[in-house]
Amino acid sequence: QSALTQPRSVSGSPGQSVTISCTGTSSDVGGYNYVSWYQQHPGKAPKLMIYDVSKRPSGVPDRFSGSKSGNTASLTISGLQAEDEADYYCCSYAGSYTSVVFGGGTKLTVL
Amino acid sequence: EVQLVESGGGLVQPGRSLRLSCTASGFTFGDYAMSWFRQAPGKGLEWVGFIRSKAYGGTTEYAASVKGRFTISRDDSKSIAYLQMNSLKTEDTAVYYCARSCTSCYIPSWFDPWGQGTLVTVSS
Repeated sequence: QSALTQPRSVSGSPGQSVTISCTGTSSDVGGYNYVSWYQQHPGKAPKLMIYDVSKRPSGVPDRFSGSKSGNTASLTISGLQAEDEADYYCCSYAGSYTSVVFGGGTKLTVL
Repeated sequence: EVQLVESGGGLVQPGRSLRLSCTASGFTFGDYAMSWFRQAPGKGLEWVGFIRSKAYGGTTEYAASVKGRFTISRDDSKSIAYLQMNSLKTEDTAVYYCARSCTSCYIPSWFDPWGQGTLVTVSS
């Protein structure tokens, strides 16, 4: 069982927007602005899409955005494209003992 | 181009040891924290541990599932991070990834890029 809770799957049509939630506690997501999101295509390594809740690394399209409210972080993908179909994982710092925790992953299907 | 390449994976019997290497290029290795992760077949990502840069003492942190069995080290002169895995269990079977983390930081808050991964299979 993962420390952070994500929906198992979400879907959307090309051009639409989808939001993936990531719920933790005040000891991880709610306690630090250190939430990051990773995209993983089948058989490939994960790729950083969002860090520090809402910052976007260079090269990541601005269709990807992140936010946080209380103990829940969210990744929003607007203008869905076929290549966005992948697994998405949220990640949070969780303090000096637990350090780093992940969500169980969300499979995004582009219909 | 920033690149990470893992090596050293393979088939190992339960109770034995294995050392993975993560060879870096394209950046000043010593300035960055380095992290290890794993992904069991068909499962999600799991953090294994990280090592801070020498500027932050080169200290390490580990997940509870591997603490006392796994050790992360680094050789900045060779731009390599290591993951020494002892007393391996069947549940350690996974693809192991290394990733670069932040520079000049105590808390590795992001991981980018990731290597391609190396498969470790623990089985008799």
